[in-house]
Order: sequence, then structure tokens, then C-alpha cells
Amino acid sequence: SQTIHQWPATLVQPVGSPLSLECTVEGTSNPNLYWYRQAAGRGLQLLFYSVGIGQISSEVPQNLSASRPQDRQFILSSKKLLLSDSGFYLCAWARGYGDTEAFFGQGTRLTVV
Amino acid sequence: AQSVTQLDSHVSVSEGTPVLLRCNYSSSYSPSLFWYVQHPNKGLQLLLKYTSAATLVKGINGFEAEFKKSETSFHLTKPSAHMSDAAEYFCVYGGATNKLIFGTGTLLAVQP
Repeated sequence: SQTIHQWPATLVQPVGSPLSLECTVEGTSNPNLYWYRQAAGRGLQLLFYSVGIGQISSEVPQNLSASRPQDRQFILSSKKLLLSDSGFYLCAWARGYGDTEAFFGQGTRLTVV
Repeated sequence: AQSVTQLDSHVSVSEGTPVLLRCNYSSSYSPSLFWYVQHPNKGLQLLLKYTSAATLVKGINGFEAEFKKSETSFHLTKPSAHMSDAAEYFCVYGGATNKLIFGTGTLLAVQP
């Protein structure tokens, strides 16, 4: 069966520090991978998605970047965190295009102080 | 452009009464539509999905949703609310692209 792992679960980082959140998927190959952010009281905002190794699409301009160094690994990064980067970050995978459901990790609660 | 609109940001019901969470979509294509549930500080769990088969879709935990093309709606219902149903619910649009587009969510409160 397929599983998705996302870590860490919680993170408190000072403003200006770097960020690296990692997500890995097991039990499938060539998945579509997604990073979403959920700010307090808002819905989910799609940040990045990837359909293959090294292929990253950015949905919104921001202080974050994403990379996919391996087929089932998706990394969210920042060189210098801002206060506005605080939120709940969710990684997800899907088998194909948007007509199939996505499966979500348990999320990372990031607090920038 | 494709989008989903969840018409209520908060819904409060009494335990044992029906639940209705409303969702409308906008699409030029035949959409795939999903409902997800999120409990506090947790990931999202799929409740049900519509992918152009039967218009009445049954999901987990007694939830169901009906796809109505004429009304561009995909409302989520449950005959009798349980305390454990208290959570945030997201209507999601999927289609011919790689992106899943989320509604802004509906927070469901269940009163004893």
C-alpha cells in the first residue's frame, strides 16, 4: 500500500533562518507531488506541484522554493524565513491528473518567531 | 478558470440532525469533485469523490454528495450528525490539469 511521510510535525524557527521540509512517498512510482499551505482561518493554498523529477511548477510568488531530487521525494525550502511564512504545510501525492484523489501527509506546523 | 465555492464558512447543527455543506463549482470541463475532512492539526482525509459515474456518491462515515450539473453543485449531506463529525470540510475540484483546487473550507460544529 502507499504511504506518505512528512516531517517534522512541528517546527519553530526564527525570522531569517533557513527552512527544509521533507516529504516522501512509498509504494508508488512517478506520483504527482504537491505542497499546500494552510494559514489560520483560510483554506488550502497550492504552493508547488511536480509531475516528475526536477519538474516544479510554482503557483504563487513567494519566499519559498521546492525541489524534487528523487521520484518520491519532495522538499520545501526557504533561504530566509519571514513571519508570514508561518502556517500549516501539507504535502500530498496523486496518481495522475486532477481527476484522481490526493493523499495527504499529516502536516507540519511551522511557527516563525 | 476552474474554481470551487463553499457557500458557508461555518455551519452549526445539533447532534442527530441533518448536515448540509454546500459547494458550487465553475468549470468548462466535466469536473472531478471531492470532499475532504480535516480534524484539528491533522492531514486531510478523503470522504468521497465524483468522477463522472453515478451522480449520487456515497462516502465514508455516512456522508454522501450529489453532483448536479444543471446547478453546478456538489453539496455534502449526512442524515444525522454525530459529535465526531465536528471538523473542517473542503470541497475540491480536479480536472484535466495536475492541480487540485480547494474551496475555502466549512467548519462544522456539532452541538450536544
